[in-house]
Amino acid sequence: KAGVTQTPRYLIKTRGQQVTLSCSPISGHRSVSWYQQTPGQGLQFLFEYFSETQRNKGNFPGRFSGRQFSNSRSEMNVSTLELGDSALYLCASSRLAGRADTQYFGPGTRLTVL
Amino acid sequence: AQKVTQAQTEISVVEKEDVTLDCVYETRDTTYYLFWYKQPPSGELVFLIRRNSFDEQNEISGRYSWNFQKSTSSFNFTITASQVVDSAVYFCALSEGGSGGSNYKLTFGKGTLLTVNP
Repeated sequence: KAGVTQTPRYLIKTRGQQVTLSCSPISGHRSVSWYQQTPGQGLQFLFEYFSETQRNKGNFPGRFSGRQFSNSRSEMNVSTLELGDSALYLCASSRLAGRADTQYFGPGTRLTVL
Repeated sequence: AQKVTQAQTEISVVEKEDVTLDCVYETRDTTYYLFWYKQPPSGELVFLIRRNSFDEQNEISGRYSWNFQKSTSSFNFTITASQVVDSAVYFCALSEGGSGGSNYKLTFGKGTLLTVNP
């Protein structure tokens, strides 16, 4: 079974631009979560989607948004990029959307904002 | 609010040594789940183990073992006879929240960088 895939793997953008990251979950998984990883803040939860609905959102500004499609694939968007948005963005999928479900992570998208 | 603390930021050992990674958590829930993930230099988080709050039985899987103690809110991870390939950042994580998926998320510790030298 294929794992979680994320595209692109690397991105370089400049301040003020916007970016869209994509995540394809493991086949049969219906929940997708997004996390931001930085050296200073560590791994922080962005949001979680299940059945095309955002179920939970972390403490991030409105510039960070996401959506999930009917095939469970998910995208996240960051508008008006800031230097501090440079990070590794990790997507995780789980079969359902409960605390008991194990989240399996993709390889991440490394975003650099210049 | 939930919190996970990994007090060891970096550990360096020589191959074949045993090493224990510490994890202490805080939660108000009576039902919760604890996880360990490994992040090699490639960046992908690799799932290692999941434990629920009702199962304090310790587990051994090959060279890995886990010690879960609710009384001290700890979930420690031991690698026996470490190998160079074990070098990675190890994260402890806590999952809690309501049923049906509401408020479900993983809270991670800051991670422990393990370096195994030949």
